[in-house]
Amino acid sequence: TQTVSQSDAHVTVFEGDSVELRCNYSYGGSIYLSWYIQHHGHGLQFLLKYYSGNPVVQGVNGFEAEFSKSDSSFHLRKASVHWSDSAVYFCAVRTNTGKLTFGDGTVLTVKP
Amino acid sequence: DMKVTQMPRYLIKRMGENVLLECGQDMSHETMYWYRQDPGLGLQLIYISYDVDSNSEGDIPKGYRVSRKKREHFSLILDSAKTNQTSVYFCASLSRQAPLFGEGTRLSVL
Repeated sequence: TQTVSQSDAHVTVFEGDSVELRCNYSYGGSIYLSWYIQHHGHGLQFLLKYYSGNPVVQGVNGFEAEFSKSDSSFHLRKASVHWSDSAVYFCAVRTNTGKLTFGDGTVLTVKP
Repeated sequence: DMKVTQMPRYLIKRMGENVLLECGQDMSHETMYWYRQDPGLGLQLIYISYDVDSNSEGDIPKGYRVSRKKREHFSLILDSAKTNQTSVYFCASLSRQAPLFGEGTRLSVL
């Protein structure tokens, strides 16, 4: 069975700062890794995903994530955050059976 | 434009009443999901459907059942709702890119 861990429940940065949101997973087989953003009162919106190939993947709005097999990680990064990036971010793991498991989320607060 | 539609958006029910939450997608996606989201618990998988009449339990199926008679529609049913089923329910369908989520149904069971 797969598990997803997001070690930081809350992250606060200032506008223009860089940010890294951490995600670690455990699963023995092939997986798809993805990140989602959720603004208050809305559903989840897809940011980016990784399955194979280049371990650094680019997503929407300047986000990128890096896969590390040795660390079982898929951390999300952004070089310069904007106040509109304030939201909850979820890391997710999907197996070949289609089962999709989420971490508990990280609340990102961007201060002006 | 690809979209997952959930109805209703808000629902208030009394304990013991039956609840029907509906989800639709017009993209002919085979795989669909139902999740519930509670504060601090992230999203928990209730059921996954691989196609019409091909449904599997997720991590928390107790107290729920599902119905998928057409590929485009996936319903979540609560028979005799309980107060601890108050939550936000999300439906998703699996595109080639990634699962697409609806806007959610906020259910309150009083």
